[in-house]
Amino acid sequence: KAGVTQTPRYLIKTRGQQVTLSCSPISGHRSVSWYQQTPGQGLQFLFEYFSETQRNKGNFPGRFSGRQFSNSRSEMNVSTLELGDSALYLCASSLERSQFFGPGTRLTVL
Amino acid sequence: DAKTTQPPSMDCAEGRAANLPCNHSTISGNEYVYWYRQIHSQGPQYIIHGLKNNETNEMASLIITEDRKSSTLILPHATLRDTAVYYCIVGPGTASKLTFGTGTRLQVTL
Repeated sequence: KAGVTQTPRYLIKTRGQQVTLSCSPISGHRSVSWYQQTPGQGLQFLFEYFSETQRNKGNFPGRFSGRQFSNSRSEMNVSTLELGDSALYLCASSLERSQFFGPGTRLTVL
Repeated sequence: DAKTTQPPSMDCAEGRAANLPCNHSTISGNEYVYWYRQIHSQGPQYIIHGLKNNETNEMASLIITEDRKSSTLILPHATLRDTAVYYCIVGPGTASKLTFGTGTRLQVTL
């Protein structure tokens, strides 16, 4: 069974731009969660989608948003990028009590 | 979510058992103990989880004390590939919103 895939793997943007990251969960998994990882703050939960509805949300500003499609694929969007948004963005799909993470998208904001 | 306390780092000789402790004294009755690990620059990897009873799978064993205030992850025969940051997480049964701490950096040496 294929794992969680994330595209793109690497991205460079400038301040003020917006970015969209994509995540394809493991087949059959309906829950998709997003996390941000930075050296200073560690791994932080962004939000979770289940059956196209946001089910949980972390403590991030409204510039961070997401959505989930009927095939469970998910996207997250960050608008008006700031230097501090440089991070590894991880997507995970869940089955019961196990989360399976993708390789992440490394975003660099210049 | 209940918080966890882990030692920042540990060393283990290859072939020996690695015992990683975790304190979670404020865990509530319906919260699970989860263990994940993250090898450098990769997404976290699910290892094991438990509620009250000890658990074992092909990767590791999880020992939970009777009062559930602490647990130990055991890697029975550590290899160099087990070098990683190990996260102990306490959370609800859905496991879709994980609160990661700083974890334990395990270094396996020859």
